[in-house]
Amino acid sequence: AQRVTQPEKLLSVFKGAPVELKCNYSYSGSPELFWYVQYSRQRLQLLLRHISRESIKGFTADLNKGETSFHLKKPFAQEEDSAMYYCALMRNFNKFYFGSGTKLNVKP
Amino acid sequence: EAGVVQSPRYKIIEKKQPVAFWCNPISGHNTLYWYLQNLGQGPELLIRYENEEAVDDSQLPKDRFSAERLKGVDSTLKIQPAELGDSAVYLCASSLGGRNTGELFFGEGSRLTVL
Repeated sequence: AQRVTQPEKLLSVFKGAPVELKCNYSYSGSPELFWYVQYSRQRLQLLLRHISRESIKGFTADLNKGETSFHLKKPFAQEEDSAMYYCALMRNFNKFYFGSGTKLNVKP
Repeated sequence: EAGVVQSPRYKIIEKKQPVAFWCNPISGHNTLYWYLQNLGQGPELLIRYENEEAVDDSQLPKDRFSAERLKGVDSTLKIQPAELGDSAVYLCASSLGGRNTGELFFGEGSRLTVL
């Protein structure tokens, strides 16, 4: 069963424009959700986790249990934000499910 | 700290040949994962180890795939025989385990091409 859905394969925005990468999940329990990022020629790494309610590199993500969503947002995109972004759900402390990813392209 | 180390980075083989991938997790990380990443897809779990015990291998195609984590540190993932559809990136990741904060540390991956 598909647990994490990222509907956009590619998202292109201009520098300075707002960006929102969508993530929807299906899970009957209390979800723990994350965004992972992979910059060009780098390894996949954690960007942020919902439980921390933190802003990393200007990105925030709010867990909406009613809409089962965890969209990633940034008010002003920068060229260095261009990367692959993966939404992930963790259950049972150590079991992770990843979405298919969204490629963000920030144009100058 | 070198992070999670994987080798080889790239491997090209002909179908029906065997192949093995090696992973050295971050020191002290009890949990080790092998993920499969097909082109245009997110990582999919193959197997998860807690120390030396494989606690989740439900997605591992056991007819051709095998894995081991002797002494609860390094791990190897083997495919024998390889098929064309096995062409993908094989990712290793590790975490502290226990009540995980959700941070997986990934290696750079091993890209397999089966001809």
